[in-house]
Amino acid sequence: QKEVEQDPGPLSVPEGAIVSLNCTYSNSAFQYFMWYRQYSRKGPELLMYTYSSGNKEDGRFTAQVDKSSKYISLFIRDSQPSDSATYLCAIEGVDSNYQLIWGAGTKLIIKP
Amino acid sequence: DAGVTQSPTHLIKTRGQQVTLRCSPKSGHDTVSWYQQALGQGPQFIFQYYEEEERQRGNFPDRFSGHQFPNYSSELNVNALLLGDSALYLCASSLGQAPYEQYFGPGTRLTVT
Repeated sequence: QKEVEQDPGPLSVPEGAIVSLNCTYSNSAFQYFMWYRQYSRKGPELLMYTYSSGNKEDGRFTAQVDKSSKYISLFIRDSQPSDSATYLCAIEGVDSNYQLIWGAGTKLIIKP
Repeated sequence: DAGVTQSPTHLIKTRGQQVTLRCSPKSGHDTVSWYQQALGQGPQFIFQYYEEEERQRGNFPDRFSGHQFPNYSSELNVNALLLGDSALYLCASSLGQAPYEQYFGPGTRLTVT
């Protein structure tokens, strides 16, 4: 079992829809939860990070962590074609020596 | 303010050769981490340099080595290239060793034939 599982997609939705992207993880000791966006042939770009459980909102993006279920989510409201990219979750904590453990990424396509 | 830069953008090498990739961190950052990203996969941590020393290392063989210079820039060296080394190599910089504040460069696409 991989430490971080993420559906590779692709996930295709119409412009303006609410997008839900998800990851599950296996080690309950992880503390920091990150979402990165990666455009084709570019490096990952940090969107948001959260510590422990709860929600965090930044503009159209909301990150949600449920430590009891070991489940993290990223919601995108009012999705735009420019949001089309691969979204990677990453987690870290003492058990990873505070280095990032990554999901494989979900490819998101927003159709105009 | 220049972000993280990497060179070269693309590289084609033959199996058995050696390669050096370069990274300049974001202004004000002192820590550089290197990652390997295979197609369709998340990045895999190779190692991290801080104060010119390798501080942490992922599960990569000794063929992968690196260096950090006094100006915080860094090099990644890979010896005896294998076909499986073909990947996107990413450099990330941060202030200190906090992985959740890493900024990534555009990467170097290495193809081994």
